[in-house]
Amino acid sequence: EIVLTQSPGTLSLSPGERATLSCRASQSVSSSYLAWYQQKPGQAPRLLIYGASSRATGIPDRFSGSGSGTDFTLTISRLEPEDFAVYYCQQYGTCHFFGQGTRLEIK
Amino acid sequence: QVQLVQSGAEVKKPGASVKVSCKASGYTFTGYYMHWVRQAPGQGLEWMGWINPNSGGTNYAQKFQGWVTMTRDTSISTAYMELSRLRSDDTAVYYCARGLRAWWYFDLWGRGTLVTVSS
Repeated sequence: EIVLTQSPGTLSLSPGERATLSCRASQSVSSSYLAWYQQKPGQAPRLLIYGASSRATGIPDRFSGSGSGTDFTLTISRLEPEDFAVYYCQQYGTCHFFGQGTRLEIK
Repeated sequence: QVQLVQSGAEVKKPGASVKVSCKASGYTFTGYYMHWVRQAPGQGLEWMGWINPNSGGTNYAQKFQGWVTMTRDTSISTAYMELSRLRSDDTAVYYCARGLRAWWYFDLWGRGTLVTVSS
C-alpha cells in the first residue's frame, strides 16, 4: 500500500501569491502515475493534473505539476479567488490512493 | 453532454443496504472503467473499487471486499454500487468517476450521492 502524505495541511495565502503544495509517497510512484484534483465545498473533485505534470483539458496554465519518484508538487503561479479550495493528490499506478488533502485558504 | 448523473440522497438504518446508481451519457459507456469513491463528512477521498462496464469484471479495495458489489446495465449505460450491512460510519457522499483504464486518473465525476446511516 502506498501512503501519500500532503503538506502543508492548510496553506493561507492571498490572491496573486504563489502556492506550492507537496505530495510525498511512501514508495516510488510508477511511471509518474500521479494526479491532482481540486475540490470546492459541495462539489465533486475536478481533475487538474495527470501524469504528474500534464494539465487536464480546460485547466488554466497557472496550474503546474512536477516531480517524480516519491516527491511531487502542485504549483499555482498566481492565485485567483476561485483557486481557494482543497487539493488532493492521487496515485493510480497499481491501486488508487489519495492523499489527505491540503486546504488552501484566503489569508 | 458528457456527464455522470447519480441517484438521489438516501437515508438508511444500520444493517440495511443501499444501492446507488450512476448513469453515463455523452460517451461510450463500455469504453471506460467506472470507479466509486466515497467521502465522509469533512474527510478526504477513499477509493472503493471499479467495474469494467464492458466485461462486468470488478476490483474492490481490500477494505470493501465482501461488503460492496458493483454492477452495471449496459442497455441503459448505468453503473451501480451496493453497500451492505451499513454502519453509521458509512455516512458519506458516494461518487462515481470514470477512468480510461483500471489504473488511471479520473477525468469525469458524478455530483455525488449522500448516504446517511442513522437509526
